[in-house]
Amino acid sequence: DAGVTQSPTHLIKTRGQQVTLRCSPKSGHDTVSWYQQALGQGPQFIFQYYEEEERQRGNFPDRFSGHQFPNYSSELNVNALLLGDSALYLCASSWGPQEGYTFGSGTRLTVV
Amino acid sequence: DQQVKQNSPSLSVQEGRISILNCDYTNSMFDYFLWYKKYPAEGPTFLISISSIKDKNEDGRFTVFLNKSAKHLSLHIVPSQPGDSAVYFCAASPRLIFSNDYKLSFGAGTTVTVRA
Repeated sequence: DAGVTQSPTHLIKTRGQQVTLRCSPKSGHDTVSWYQQALGQGPQFIFQYYEEEERQRGNFPDRFSGHQFPNYSSELNVNALLLGDSALYLCASSWGPQEGYTFGSGTRLTVV
Repeated sequence: DQQVKQNSPSLSVQEGRISILNCDYTNSMFDYFLWYKKYPAEGPTFLISISSIKDKNEDGRFTVFLNKSAKHLSLHIVPSQPGDSAVYFCAASPRLIFSNDYKLSFGAGTTVTVRA
């Protein structure tokens, strides 16, 4: 049983560019949440998707947007990248809003 | 606004001894608390949880204690093993029936090193 799959694993982008990160949830999970983990900090909530809609959003600017597809997979898009967007981006899936979060291994984004 | 705090960034313990990790929170709406363990290049994995109706939950070598009046929880690992060397995150979430807040709020983590 595959867990949460994230792609790519590593990514280097230039300031001002746009990036798309992808997440396939664990089988049976219908909810996807995205978190940003900066170096030396805990994961910070970006947003959560359920039934293809953004259900809740954290304190992140509109440059961060997302999407959930009918098969429950999800994308995180970041526009106009800043150096401060360099972080590990974690996707977590669950059945329902909080039950049994399963995290992926993350995408390491470096903005230069 | 850091609502979950882990004030010890690191902990070193000898194999076989007890590891005690501490976590404080400020939001009185938090109702459910979790500990996650994270190895390098991997995502956090769920370790143990506790709801506010309990003050202790035990699972094998791992025990979580909750002191609601002090807004404090701790994780005890007994005995500590080399494979326990990892970063441990404390996380919390509010009462769903009172809010539409689904997110987990995480502390900054404590790096545990178990010495042989």
